[in-house]
Amino acid sequence: KAGVTQTPRYLIKTRGQQVTLSCSPISGHRSVSWYQQTPGQGLQFLFEYFSETQRNKGNFPGRFSGRQFSNSRSEMNVSTLELGDSALYLCASSLGASGTNEKLFFGSGTQLSVL
Amino acid sequence: QQPVQSPQAVILREGEDAVINCSSSKALYSVHWYRQKHGEAPVFLMILLKGGEQKGHEKISASFNEKKQQSSLYLTASQLSYSGTYFCTGGGADGLTFGKGTHLIIQP
Repeated sequence: KAGVTQTPRYLIKTRGQQVTLSCSPISGHRSVSWYQQTPGQGLQFLFEYFSETQRNKGNFPGRFSGRQFSNSRSEMNVSTLELGDSALYLCASSLGASGTNEKLFFGSGTQLSVL
Repeated sequence: QQPVQSPQAVILREGEDAVINCSSSKALYSVHWYRQKHGEAPVFLMILLKGGEQKGHEKISASFNEKKQQSSLYLTASQLSYSGTYFCTGGGADGLTFGKGTHLIIQP
């Protein structure tokens, strides 16, 4: 069974540009969550999609958005990039909506560098 | 609100024991533990669902005190493979919020 796939693996952008990251969950998983990871801050929750609907959203500005398609694949978009957006972006999939008893399976992440 | 983990970092010799603590200011329905090795994705360790529940896998176990909103991860007779960053996360209606992590270094 294939794991969670994130593309691209590395990305270099300049300030002001926008970027789209992609996440393909494990087959059969309907929930995809996105996290931003930076040194010292751990995993910061961005948002979660379940059956194409945004279920929860973290405390990030509106420049961060996402969507989920009918095949459960998800994309995350960041517009008007800032230097502080440089981070590892991880997505995780789970069978059901994340919360009490769902195990998350993480992808390897997309390392975004903003110059 | 992120769960608070302690200690932030710990260095051990192979064979020593370690305890990592996690506490939350909000009500938790469950506690999850994940481990991330350098350059790799976080990997699930265990979920604790009930207050006072203890779970274990080989030499790694955990407890969850629902009344105190606290959980502890116990690593017994640590092995080199235990090195990494350990994250706790609280499960609730608004999804999972991870702590900042505890860096564990095991030296031979």
